[in-house]
Amino acid sequence: QVQLVESGGGLVKPGGSLRLSCAASGFIFTDYYMTWIRQAPGKGLQWISYISASGSVTYYGDSVKGRFTISRDDANKSVYLQMDNLRVEDTAVYYCARVAHSGAPGDYWGHGVLVTVSS
Amino acid sequence: YELTQPPSVSVSPGQTARITCSGDALPKKYAYWFQQKSGQAPVLVIDEDSKRPSGIPERFSGSSSGTTATLTISGAQVEDEADFYCYSTDTSGHHGVFGGGTKLTVL
Repeated sequence: QVQLVESGGGLVKPGGSLRLSCAASGFIFTDYYMTWIRQAPGKGLQWISYISASGSVTYYGDSVKGRFTISRDDANKSVYLQMDNLRVEDTAVYYCARVAHSGAPGDYWGHGVLVTVSS
Repeated sequence: YELTQPPSVSVSPGQTARITCSGDALPKKYAYWFQQKSGQAPVLVIDEDSKRPSGIPERFSGSSSGTTATLTISGAQVEDEADFYCYSTDTSGHHGVFGGGTKLTVL
């Protein structure tokens, strides 16, 4: 069965960095785009970034462009989110999700990982 | 680019709940709908405007006309209470956006 397991969350000071990982299993990883989506406490969902199946194309939301970098390692069936210059407003649960062939950003989701940015 | 949803919708059990999502690019781009119950990850309930993924009850349906997409829950049940989010992209297709979410209350 399809599984996505995020790791790497935690507490970081403003201006700091954190790298999230998402380990995928149960499907042909190289056939799918992957995406990161976040949810601030008590708030709605916010799309963050996509990476293509080949890894050659990436897209970012305006709020993270230039600070976050998405990447993938097909050998390890993992997708990553490098987060630099973190801000208090980046505090959220970060979800890794598989992009369906239809384009839906999440036919399967991970359980989410909490990132807290605070001094 | 923004997608606009009503903050809340309330119905009695067995009634039909309709949740709308408005956006300027919706005539050209698909809408997708997600259900998120408290403390859980979201679940895709409607794909490509109106397609129901495997395992989603038939009472969930979707439609889109002009700049408005609509999620309909026919005969809403208490267990359908959740936050619902629409999703689409801008006209370039390169940037995703979620609506602000609609809290569905069934009581």
